[in-house]
Amino acid sequence: SQTIHQWPATLVQPVGSPLSLECTVEGTSNPNLYWYRQAAGRGLQLLFYSVGIGQISSEVPQNLSASRPQDRQFILSSKKLLLSDSGFYLCAWSVRNSPLHFGNGTRLTVT
Amino acid sequence: SQQGEEDPQALSIQEGENATMNCSYKTSINNLQWYRQNSGRGLVHLILIRSNEREKHSGRLRVTLDTSKKSSSLLITASRAADTASYFCATALRGGADGLTFGKGTHLIIQP
Repeated sequence: SQTIHQWPATLVQPVGSPLSLECTVEGTSNPNLYWYRQAAGRGLQLLFYSVGIGQISSEVPQNLSASRPQDRQFILSSKKLLLSDSGFYLCAWSVRNSPLHFGNGTRLTVT
Repeated sequence: SQQGEEDPQALSIQEGENATMNCSYKTSINNLQWYRQNSGRGLVHLILIRSNEREKHSGRLRVTLDTSKKSSSLLITASRAADTASYFCATALRGGADGLTFGKGTHLIIQP
C-alpha cells in the first residue's frame, strides 16, 4: 500500500534562518506531488506541484522554493524565513486523476 | 483566489442529528471532492463527484452536485462524536495534475 511521510511534525525557527521540509512517498511510482500551506482557520493554498523529477510549478510568488531530486521525494525550502511563512505545511500525492493523499503536516512557527 | 467556499463556517449539532454543509464554486469543474481534516492532521479524502453526476453516496455520506448553480452539498447522517472535524470541498478544474483548489472549510462539532 502507498504511504506518505512528512517531517518534522513541528518546527520552530527564527526569522532569517533557512528551512528544509521533506516529504517522501512509498508504494507508488511517478506520483504527482504537491505542497500546500494552511494558515490558521483558513483553507489550503497550493504552493508547488510536480509531475516528475526536476519539474516544479509554482502557484504563487513567495519566499519558498521546492525541489524534486528523486521520483518520490519532494522538498520545500527557504533561504531566509519570514514571520509570514508560519503555518501548517502539507505534502500530498496523487496519480493520474485520483484524489489527493496527504501527509500529516508540519507545523512551522517562525519567531 | 478561493474557488470553493463552504457554508456555514462552523456548525454545532447533537449526536444523532444530520449535518449538512454547502460548497459554492465559481468556474466550470471536472470534478468536486470533499475532504475531512481532524485537528492538526492532514486531510483525508471522503468522496469525489464528477461534473456529470448529480448525487453520490458513501456510507453515511451523501453528496449532491448542481453544476447549474455551481454548488455542492455534503450530508452526514446520524452524526457521531467522531465526525467532529473540519470539512473542505475542493475542485479540479481540468482534471490534470495541477492540484485542487480548496475552500476555507466548515468546522463541524458533534455534541455528545
